[in-house]
Amino acid sequence: ILNVEQSPQSLHVQEGDSTNFTCSFPSSNFYALHWYRWETAKSPEALFVMTLNGDEKKKGRISATLNTKEGYSYLYIKGSQPEDSATYLCASATQGGKLIFGQGTELSVKP
Amino acid sequence: GAGVSQTPSNKVTEKGKYVELRCDPISGHTALYWYRQSLGQGPEFLIYFQGTGAADDSGLPNDRFFAVRPEGSVSTLKIQRTERGDSAVYLCASSLRQPPYNEQFFGPGTRLTVL
Repeated sequence: ILNVEQSPQSLHVQEGDSTNFTCSFPSSNFYALHWYRWETAKSPEALFVMTLNGDEKKKGRISATLNTKEGYSYLYIKGSQPEDSATYLCASATQGGKLIFGQGTELSVKP
Repeated sequence: GAGVSQTPSNKVTEKGKYVELRCDPISGHTALYWYRQSLGQGPEFLIYFQGTGAADDSGLPNDRFFAVRPEGSVSTLKIQRTERGDSAVYLCASSLRQPPYNEQFFGPGTRLTVL
């Protein structure tokens, strides 16, 4: 059974601050690591799907790195804005495709 | 284009009642997943369909839960004799590519409250 952990559970930052979150996952039988952003009352939005060790992906002010050998991924947000406030979820994919999610990091950005 | 839709958005029911939750995936997506998120936790896998058949139903908590996808498109999650512990947000996702590298597109969820 996979166990995906995220830290911190919640984060409160000021507008303009840069921040990062951690996702740890079992490194054995790794297939893919997904990051989602989930705003209240909306659908979870896919940010990244990462598969290769050392992979780095970027989308605007958000970027992510992946270390499959040690089983962790970092998500970075540069210059946080109030619209970045959301819950950020990571999930490890099994061979069959189901996602095993962490409990999420709730980000609140104050103007 | 249209995304994944789920109905109803909110459902309040009484303990012991039967409920059905509907998912309309993105047109052409052959893979469909159900997850549920309980308060304070991440989404938890329930069942995965590839076409009309359930390829993996290992996440269904007990035999009160059942899901169908008779024509390979719309799916219905059915919960019999609901319990207060069934209260959660039920999420549906669909995907075009084969697992395990497929991006899953989520609907907004159905918030189920069992009184």
